[in-house]
Amino acid sequence: GQSLEQPSEVTAVEGAIVQINCTYQTSGFYGLSWYQQHDGGAPTFLSYNALDGLEETGRFSSFLSRSDSYGYLLLQELQMKDSASYFCAVTNAGNMLTFGGGTRLMVKP
Amino acid sequence: DTAVSQTPKYLVTQMGNDKSIKCEQNLGHDTMYWYKQDSKKFLKIMFSYNNKELIINETVPNRFSPKSPDKAHLNLHINSLELGDSAVYFCASSLTGANYGYTFGSGTRLTVV
Repeated sequence: GQSLEQPSEVTAVEGAIVQINCTYQTSGFYGLSWYQQHDGGAPTFLSYNALDGLEETGRFSSFLSRSDSYGYLLLQELQMKDSASYFCAVTNAGNMLTFGGGTRLMVKP
Repeated sequence: DTAVSQTPKYLVTQMGNDKSIKCEQNLGHDTMYWYKQDSKKFLKIMFSYNNKELIINETVPNRFSPKSPDKAHLNLHINSLELGDSAVYFCASSLTGANYGYTFGSGTRLTVV
């Protein structure tokens, strides 16, 4: 089976930095992805890590440690529009994504 | 210009009815999926399908069946709807070997009464 653990909720202030952690247990791991979902919207792709290390895309960065079965999403210079749910997901054989339970991020002024 | 489109956006129906949700993608992707998102926002894979293989999550009741007339379409048919089927259903697509993730449709909110 597969399981992913991430915090259910995180609160931060505008302009701050926040890190959302994800640990996983899976067979046949290919990579770790992150998706953003605003209320009432569809999940949208943010990043993908297949190898250990940090991937940076603008204000968002994602990190993976395969040996620790751990990754995180780092959001810098938080904006109000970043308030959303963030999901980590593992890719296994067959290119199927299994999602974590999601982290609800609330950004306050 | 919509990349992954699904219809209808809202569906309210009575228990016991049969309904279908349609999905189309114009991205040239080779794999399509159906996900169910429950009230706690948990996203669960239901089906994965490309022109070679259908992969079914074994926990999905056989009342649910995907139908793919061609590789740009993957419809979801549900028989004998139950109250517990109420959820948001997302269609998604991806390209094998690409690392830019899935593209999701806007979702269909199904309410069974």
